Amino acid sequence: GESVGLHLPTLSVQEGDNSIINCAYSNSASDYFIWYKQESGKGPQFIIDIRSNMDKRQGQRVTVLLNKTVKHLSLQIAATQPGDSAVYFCAERDGGTSYGKLTFGQGTILTVHP
Amino acid sequence: SQTIHQWPATLVQPVGSPLSLECTVEGTSNPNLYWYRQAAGRGLQLLFYSVGIGQISSEVPQNLSASRPQDRQFILSSKKLLLSDSGFYLCAWRKADTQYFGPGTRLTVL
Repeated sequence: GESVGLHLPTLSVQEGDNSIINCAYSNSASDYFIWYKQESGKGPQFIIDIRSNMDKRQGQRVTVLLNKTVKHLSLQIAATQPGDSAVYFCAERDGGTSYGKLTFGQGTILTVHP
Repeated sequence: SQTIHQWPATLVQPVGSPLSLECTVEGTSNPNLYWYRQAAGRGLQLLFYSVGIGQISSEVPQNLSASRPQDRQFILSSKKLLLSDSGFYLCAWRKADTQYFGPGTRLTVL
């Protein structure tokens, strides 16, 4: 269902710092996870994904960690830049659906100060 | 490469007026297509999905409907808009396991 509440979690960092954005999920049947970045007034942009048979995946300046034991997902951004300022969403896919249904978290606002 | 388009980009409509939002995908065939709504400060809520022409499934009961008249065209409609229909509407298509989003339509119902 839809997230409740208008106050998104926020994270403020200085340019050059590393950022860690966290996400908790609840569905044990979720087998695939995605992180999206959404800038103001734009559609979400794919950043990185990970399957449930992995616990870590690295991209360019980004790393996703998956802890299935506690149902926790995190996105690490190295050397954060002002252009990284956006809302970040995690999404999980229920492996039992045939149409690839994604369930989204409510998002975290990342603000990078120059 | 594949691209996804939505229009209009912004729309202001009075309560009770009809609605038609269009989404088209280029560079792929027979994609799974999705309509989401995003209220201010909230996550994405799946409204409809389609696995093929004429095949529409609704996730939540509401004032909206969807149609897929062509393989790469997905339309979101309403006969009479409500104030609560205001929001940011996003179309997405599925490639392998990932969904990719269009630029969105900002709808304001007054």
